[in-house]
Amino acid sequence: GDSVTQMEGPVTLSEEACLTINCTYTATGYPSLFWYVQYPGEGLQLLLKATKADDKGSNKGFEATYRKETTSFHLEKGSVQVSDSAVYFCALSDLEGYNKLIFGAGTRLAVHP
Amino acid sequence: NAGVMQNPRHLVRRRGQEARLRCSPMKGHSHVYWYRQLPEEGLKFMVYLQKENIIDESGMPKERFSAEFPKEGPSILRIQQVVRGDSAAYFCASSPTSASGYTGELFFGEGSRLTVL
Repeated sequence: GDSVTQMEGPVTLSEEACLTINCTYTATGYPSLFWYVQYPGEGLQLLLKATKADDKGSNKGFEATYRKETTSFHLEKGSVQVSDSAVYFCALSDLEGYNKLIFGAGTRLAVHP
Repeated sequence: NAGVMQNPRHLVRRRGQEARLRCSPMKGHSHVYWYRQLPEEGLKFMVYLQKENIIDESGMPKERFSAEFPKEGPSILRIQQVVRGDSAAYFCASSPTSASGYTGELFFGEGSRLTVL
């Protein structure tokens, strides 16, 4: 079945460092891809998405490009802040019927001043 | 503008007891999803409901677990005769009905953390 694999955490960075969180997927069709973020004590919230190959999703300085040839959707940010500390989840959905999302295991990011 | 409300936030049960988790979707949302997050794992889809209907329960364990979303009131996830392996965070999410199709955006609650002693 469809699945999502994320790099293991935790990822620990200093403020203003570059971030990459790897995400690859396996799907039989052409899914839409998502990054969700969970800040401490809160529910998950959508960070960005891409619905077809070569699309780039972006939000709050984060970017991810839908790479069909490598089945990847890596999350990147050029300069992280302490406030970016959270757990990041990569997810996919075929959106054929409803918003059924398949999530990766999540990657915890800790940014230190 | 209240978000998705889940309660209780924390629930402790002894083996064999029942656990009831409640979820009130965002105002105007008629679709509810339940996910389970086991320690050190990602979120696993359990069930998708619309008002008074279970649409997809492919992720629900065959026994002891049930879900409902009545015409009035919150959605309820019920776990009977809990075992230690049921200890997890249970997340509810909602989405609106969209004439333009599904966007993949779910609005999550803060989760209910069940601990089985």
